[in-house]
Amino acid sequence: DTGVSQDPRHKITKRGQNVTFRCDPISEHNRLYWYRQTLGQGPEFLTYFQNEAQLEKSRLLSDRFSAERPKGSFSTLEIQRTEQGDSAMYLCASSDSGTAEKLFFGSGTQLSVL
Amino acid sequence: GENVEQHPSTLSVQEGDSAVIKCTYSDSASNYFPWYKQELGKRPQLIIDIRSNVGEKKDQRIAVTLNKTAKHFSLHITETQPEDSAVYFCAASYYGGSQGNLIFGKGTKLSVKP
Repeated sequence: DTGVSQDPRHKITKRGQNVTFRCDPISEHNRLYWYRQTLGQGPEFLTYFQNEAQLEKSRLLSDRFSAERPKGSFSTLEIQRTEQGDSAMYLCASSDSGTAEKLFFGSGTQLSVL
Repeated sequence: GENVEQHPSTLSVQEGDSAVIKCTYSDSASNYFPWYKQELGKRPQLIIDIRSNVGEKKDQRIAVTLNKTAKHFSLHITETQPEDSAVYFCAASYYGGSQGNLIFGKGTKLSVKP
């Protein structure tokens, strides 16, 4: 599968624990995005990278959230001290420099915080 | 910042009928307007998009129209089929330089009854 892949597909954690998600974009894509989607809502932008540089962060990205893309390839999203309100689907998307606006999404990581 | 409103939230049509979903945006600088289809439990997939220098775009049974003056755009699906049943999201963004992230509407759940 040459699409965007995310791992894990599902994560159940207890409140207060830290979690980390991984996203592998389409190989030639230099832009990588993280979105969050809750039930009945559209995806909400969190942050995006161009290569290894994090160029934009949403106000939704509190200081408990951190994202990295150290080598400009895969990315990780970490949530520290999880809260029940963090329960959501975390979607990763990527795009290439030629058609940067066309986002290709992964299947997401469903986080449940108990 | 950009805000996207989408209507209706649910839409039910008979197979073969047409379906229209409407979105309005707030930021006159937005220049790119995609539509994504998300089937239950699956990733959002880009189905059609339009740039601000074009008023209409068509791809087989789907079309998108854009009215920049009124800041609204619409998705038209003709000859609907049961497999068109899904949640449809509109989005808006300004793409230029290092900027770029999509702001999504809340979605329209389309049900096509055989």
